[in-house]
Amino acid sequence: AIQLTQSPSSLSASVGDRVTITCRASQGISSALAWYQQKPGKAPKLLIYDASSLESGVPSRFSGSGSGTDFTLTISSLQPEDFATYSCQQFNSYPITFGQGTRLEIK
Amino acid sequence: EVQLVESGGGLVQPGGSLRLSCAASGFTFSSYWMTWVRQAPGRGLEWVANIKQDGSEKYYVDSVKGRFTISRDNAKNSLYLQMNSLRAEDTAVYYCARGYFWFDPWGQGTLVTVSS
Repeated sequence: AIQLTQSPSSLSASVGDRVTITCRASQGISSALAWYQQKPGKAPKLLIYDASSLESGVPSRFSGSGSGTDFTLTISSLQPEDFATYSCQQFNSYPITFGQGTRLEIK
Repeated sequence: EVQLVESGGGLVQPGGSLRLSCAASGFTFSSYWMTWVRQAPGRGLEWVANIKQDGSEKYYVDSVKGRFTISRDNAKNSLYLQMNSLRAEDTAVYYCARGYFWFDPWGQGTLVTVSS
């Protein structure tokens, strides 16, 4: 199974900061990667698919990049509603796998 | 509005069975792959199974193969997960989600607790 390792596991930041979360795959997955946001007690929400395509309705401050084994999710200017847990997911091969998540907290 | 609503979770003893349901509305259910994803308390997301539009293809994570069965009823716009031989490590919130490659939207989840 392809393992996805996110870094950091947790992150403290302030409103207005630029934040980058990394997801590294144990083998190449082309651009078969998605990013989700999850708030406590809620279902995940799709942010990015195909590594860099922004889901409809998602603010443009969110962006994704990368291919192969290294991917990033960037939030250009943190807003109060962005404090949540972010997870990457690969769909290059079965079993579909997720990263362990990155918890973004308010500094 | 596209909506997915799970039901059927609860407390079950180890070795027991449970059937989860997911009611879909607001989209043409029969046109989409559907997926189950679970999340153990305080843990990350884990893909469980998915099923093709007509039910002809099904895939499972190794840890549930032979114990869980995914199915669907397109006439009822419903997705199911039959869970047998449940173990403590199956304790999680189970989400249904639309999609094959990526998942959107997700239901609100239903909690399954396996404990004696």
